[in-house]
Amino acid sequence: ETGVTQTPRHLVMGMTNKKSLKCEQHLGHNAMYWYKQSAKKPLELMFVYNFKEQTENNSVPSRFSPECPNSSHLFLHLHTLQPEDSALYLCASSQELGLAGNTIYFGEGSWLTVV
Amino acid sequence: GQQVMQIPQYQHVQEGEDFTTYCNSSTTLSNIQWYKQRPGGHPVFLIQLVKSGEVKKQKRLTFQFGEAKKNSSLHITATQTTDVGTYFCAVGGSSNTGKLIFGQGTTLQVKP
Repeated sequence: ETGVTQTPRHLVMGMTNKKSLKCEQHLGHNAMYWYKQSAKKPLELMFVYNFKEQTENNSVPSRFSPECPNSSHLFLHLHTLQPEDSALYLCASSQELGLAGNTIYFGEGSWLTVV
Repeated sequence: GQQVMQIPQYQHVQEGEDFTTYCNSSTTLSNIQWYKQRPGGHPVFLIQLVKSGEVKKQKRLTFQFGEAKKNSSLHITATQTTDVGTYFCAVGGSSNTGKLIFGQGTTLQVKP
């Protein structure tokens, strides 16, 4: 139990589908993140939210759309994805941005396969 | 932007041998963190180093922060099969927002 829960754990979707990944944290944190992890690349930061406000969009294609309705929940809406988007998508949270030593707590990840 | 280089990318050792991974930055770091990701799992926080020359130990794991705060190392003494996984260092983004940038990771395989 990490305190950060992601659903679904596995998702297979077609390139024309629309789906969403959900993340919920029970740690009382105020910053939430989406990371992408694929086989040949290091952990890639996608989006950052601090107190529900998006502070970072790391040049992510518009087919990925984040939503943060409150500090405990984070969504990643997916539409018209490409096969190269297949990866492990990790949600994470931390106390808040701007703190020294901002430790990240990861969820178990959502394995996404685009066919 | 902030970048950190981690070497080696892969390491295969015999159980009982030692293992070291290194993390290097071109800029001075305020702090550095280390994470471990088991196969099929998610990254888990191990430790944070803040002070120049700092050395911290967790059982068989020794973490060191360089005197110039530009590099760090993780050393495992007498590896065990439970040490298998990928070890990442992570540093703060150049804008000093507290956002972490991860190294490429070192994947450790331990032969029993």
